[in-house]
Amino acid sequence: DQQVKQNSPSLSVQEGRISILNCDYTNSMFDYFLWYKKYPAEGPTFLISISSIKDKNEDGRFTVFLNKSAKHLSLHIVPSQPGDSAVYFCAASVLGDYKLSFGAGTTVTVRA
Amino acid sequence: NAGVMQNPRHLVRRRGQEARLRCSPVKGHSHVYWYRQLPEEGLKFMVYLQKENIIDESGMPKERFSAEFPKEGPSILRIQQVVRGDSAAYFCASSPGQLDSPLHFGNGTRLTVT
Repeated sequence: DQQVKQNSPSLSVQEGRISILNCDYTNSMFDYFLWYKKYPAEGPTFLISISSIKDKNEDGRFTVFLNKSAKHLSLHIVPSQPGDSAVYFCAASVLGDYKLSFGAGTTVTVRA
Repeated sequence: NAGVMQNPRHLVRRRGQEARLRCSPVKGHSHVYWYRQLPEEGLKFMVYLQKENIIDESGMPKERFSAEFPKEGPSILRIQQVVRGDSAAYFCASSPGQLDSPLHFGNGTRLTVT
């Protein structure tokens, strides 16, 4: 049962523009959400997180938005850079729980 | 590099052989997690261990798979009598166990069963 869904398998964006990655979840118990970035042949690297008490969290070029009523979160990257080309995974859990449920990932390609 | 270390990076086994995957957590982290990624899918939780204890193995197949995290040495994920369906990337992660502390992942072991 896929509790976290990333419906766009890929995204292509021009350098300097905004990348918007979307993620939907079905488990209303989830209250902690994370984005991980993964390069080929490497492990996922933590990018940014948000707890359900917030609706926005910003860290440099990365901003995560959470819409609890819609069970939807998004990651904005602005401006996009060539080094941002990677697979981005959305993950969710109940805060304090160790099990992360991952989406299938979105491959982002930043064009020069 | 004080990150999570996994070895080997690549492992090829014939059907019926055993596979042993090793994971050394970040120094000071006492919580280890194993995840598996099948092609075109996200990572799936397998097992959570603390030193010498299995806390949750609900994501691990009941047969052929086992995991340990001894007092000394790395965590080991063991797959006995491997089958082609075991071919996947296996990622280990560690954390200090604090609330909202994100997992730190290793670079994974890619297991290929021929």
